[in-house]
Amino acid sequence: GAGVSQSPSNKVTEKGKDVELRCDPISGHTALYWYRQSLGQGLEFLIYFQGNSAPDKSGLPSDRFSAERTGGSVSTLTIQRTQQEDSAVYLCASSFRQGSYNSPLHFGNGTRLTVT
Amino acid sequence: AQKITQTQPGMFVQEKEAVTLDCTYDTSDPSYGLFWYKQPSSGEMIFLIYQGSYDQQNATEGRYSLNFQKARKSANLVISASQLGDSAMYFCAMTFKAAGNKLTFGGGTRVLVKP
Repeated sequence: GAGVSQSPSNKVTEKGKDVELRCDPISGHTALYWYRQSLGQGLEFLIYFQGNSAPDKSGLPSDRFSAERTGGSVSTLTIQRTQQEDSAVYLCASSFRQGSYNSPLHFGNGTRLTVT
Repeated sequence: AQKITQTQPGMFVQEKEAVTLDCTYDTSDPSYGLFWYKQPSSGEMIFLIYQGSYDQQNATEGRYSLNFQKARKSANLVISASQLGDSAMYFCAMTFKAAGNKLTFGGGTRVLVKP
């Protein structure tokens, strides 16, 4: 498709399990971003990639969170030993140019994670 | 530190009327971009409009316009001729040259258009 694709759209997991969330950015977009949105809240930055490297990981809440990007395309966000406070919508976005502050981010539809 | 503030948590607007959503920001970076996004109940984030800090004219995109007052550090979104489909959360966001195009978001304003 033409937009940012995220999978799964919904994920229910038990506390303590690991989960992987996937993001497929718009073709040709070099920058990729992960955000988290808790219920009724704004968006919280987690990490961004330029190519396969992650210059800014400052938003990752704990060392249980990690992300990688391969081939300058698909990215996975992994949450280990999930906790109930990890329940949120995880949004991925991509943009054409990183380092250019006038390039809008284009978002996927998100993955709704529920930890029981 | 940079900060975005949206003071209106929620508002009603009558269909076909205009509505203004407030956004103020705080930054010492002279180079920045201001964005508005719409998030309907479906959850997708839809880019609406962009204004650069050096742009002389206010941005417009169809029924959306941005009232940019640089000295006051405000970037209010105006939606003209509201439609029922405009009911959604609206987020003001900005990027700073020093941070590439990592977006920082305000808390959002929920708009409900009444028929």
